[in-house]
Amino acid sequence: GENVEQHPSTLSVQEGDSAVIKCTYSDSASNYFPWYKQELGKGPQLIIDIRSNVGEKKDQRIAVTLNKTAKHFSLHITETQPEDSAVYFCAASSGQAGTALIFGKGTTLSVSS
Amino acid sequence: DGGITQSPKYLFRKEGQNVTLSCEQNLNHDAMYWYRQDPGQGLRLIYYSQIVNDFQKGDIAEGYSVSREKKESFPLTVTSAQKNPTAFYLCASSPGLAGADEQFFGPGTRLTVL
Repeated sequence: GENVEQHPSTLSVQEGDSAVIKCTYSDSASNYFPWYKQELGKGPQLIIDIRSNVGEKKDQRIAVTLNKTAKHFSLHITETQPEDSAVYFCAASSGQAGTALIFGKGTTLSVSS
Repeated sequence: DGGITQSPKYLFRKEGQNVTLSCEQNLNHDAMYWYRQDPGQGLRLIYYSQIVNDFQKGDIAEGYSVSREKKESFPLTVTSAQKNPTAFYLCASSPGLAGADEQFFGPGTRLTVL
């Protein structure tokens, strides 16, 4: 089955710097790759996702890149702000009937001002 | 307001007791999921359901049971067979096929077994 590895587990940056979180996956059939942000004591929320027919997607300060050949995808946050501090999860899925998202173990991002 | 509700937010139980966590959604989503979250472990899938009266085991189903009698409800029972039940439990739903769409998460229930 699918296995998703996420690095780093913790990331500390200064306000205004960029942050990059990387994930690798094992199942070449996977074609849907979402990223979720979880604030303390709350449920995760989708911040951006990408499907395998595109290599990059951007939404204001966040972007996701996908390399299907190497089976890895990354989240990029530019001009970080203290409110970006949270736990970020990547996930992967083949989208086939009967499957479910497989999540990475999460990255705790701390943005200091 | 549309969304997913989980109740209660905090739950305390004595060891050896079964406990049922509630999850309700009014988004008219077909698929629903239960995850367990432990520090440093990410989200691990317990059970999921793509349609009423049908559900599949996830990676860590042992010691848990679910039912899906109504589209909007997917309760999770933590049985006495679950060896380490203290955790944060998250319920989610998605509009279509499991795994192919955005999942919407509830606020979670923190279960503590004393």
